[in-house]
Amino acid sequence: KNQVEQSPQSLIILEGKNCTLQCNYTVSPFSNLRWYKQDTGRGPVSLTIMTFSENTKSNGRYTATLDADTKQSSLHITASQLSDSASYICVVSGDSWGKLQFGAGTQVVVTP
Amino acid sequence: DSGVTQTPKHLITATGQRVTLRCSPRSGDLSVYWYQQSLDQGLQFLIQYYNGEERAKGNILERFSAQQFPDLHSELNLSSLELGDSALYFCASSSSRGTGELFFGEGSRLTVL
Repeated sequence: KNQVEQSPQSLIILEGKNCTLQCNYTVSPFSNLRWYKQDTGRGPVSLTIMTFSENTKSNGRYTATLDADTKQSSLHITASQLSDSASYICVVSGDSWGKLQFGAGTQVVVTP
Repeated sequence: DSGVTQTPKHLITATGQRVTLRCSPRSGDLSVYWYQQSLDQGLQFLIQYYNGEERAKGNILERFSAQQFPDLHSELNLSSLELGDSALYFCASSSSRGTGELFFGEGSRLTVL
């Protein structure tokens, strides 16, 4: 069973609207949680990285939240743009050597 | 530009053949990771090296092997290729043992015919 579950699997939103992606994990021990954006056919690019003591971290129009108690994270995209169309991947780092567990990603399509 | 360089960008070969993918990490990064991403699939971890030594193994087939050289570049060798090996292969590097940020290359797209 995947230790990192993302929802929804995909979503379509209108340009200018907001959306929120979810990530639930069971990875233990926990080191940090990352969100990556992957354009089709390109390498993933880091959006945020949070340790257990951080609740919120922003990167422009992207805001990630983390609740280490419930092992849940969310990524909020504000005022979506066409360029936000991509797969968003939640990655959880475990032990000190950073064994990474990848979610399957949420495919976001922003339409005009 | 992440600073991670992968070559070749595209590769087309036949079943049964052998290929080598190369990765140059960001300057100073000691950790190198290899990932496989098949069409419309998530990233599958293959293997990690840290400063020349194998550190972790994921779902890497026995037909696949990798190494990290003293200058820290890494190579992923894929042999006895099958149609199902067609995928994007990503290399990523990190400055730390693994808890730090990962920087991904643009990938090598392998097509096996």
